[in-house]
Amino acid sequence: GNSVTQMEGPVTLSEEAFLTINCTYTATGYPSLFWYVQYPGEGLQLLLKATKADDKGSNKGFEATYRKETTSFHLEKGSVQVSDSAVYFCALLGSGGSNYKLTFGKGTLLTVNP
Amino acid sequence: DAGVTQSPTHLIKTRGQQVTLRCSPKSGHDTVSWYQQALGQGPQFIFQYYEEEERQRGNFPDRFSGHQFPNYSSELNVNALLLGDSALYLCASTIPGTGASGELFFGEGSRLTVL
Repeated sequence: GNSVTQMEGPVTLSEEAFLTINCTYTATGYPSLFWYVQYPGEGLQLLLKATKADDKGSNKGFEATYRKETTSFHLEKGSVQVSDSAVYFCALLGSGGSNYKLTFGKGTLLTVNP
Repeated sequence: DAGVTQSPTHLIKTRGQQVTLRCSPKSGHDTVSWYQQALGQGPQFIFQYYEEEERQRGNFPDRFSGHQFPNYSSELNVNALLLGDSALYLCASTIPGTGASGELFFGEGSRLTVL
């Protein structure tokens, strides 16, 4: 079946540091890939998505590129802020028109210190 | 514009009891999905409801059941509670026509503790 593996956290960075959170997946066909973010006290929010190989999703300074050859979708940001402190989840939606199930990784806690 | 709302926010039950969790989707949304998030884990798909029918189900036993009402709100019922059912239960809704897009709007969840 489908699965998502994220780098173990927690990750602690200083403000303005570069961020990478690794995500790899296992799936048949051509899944869609997502990053969701959960800020303290809030529900999960979609951060960005990519639906086909070599697509780059971007939002709020975050980027991730769908790499089919390495089955990866790593999240990056050039300069993090304290407000980016949250739990980040990589997720996958399997291919096929009748699939509505998102498969999530375990999440990575990011703490950004001033 | 209210987002996805869930109730109750917290509840405590004992083993063997039954629980009902409720969800109101974001205004204008017609599809509701339920996820279980155990501590330190990512959300796991329970099922999705559309047009008052269960459209897809994850790998959960029949103790987990649901319902969607004509106003698109939904309930998740869990019977014969086990200690392992302790988790945050998340409801998510989607814009009409995007049920298969993976673009979900989540509520803050109902935290269930089973003693």
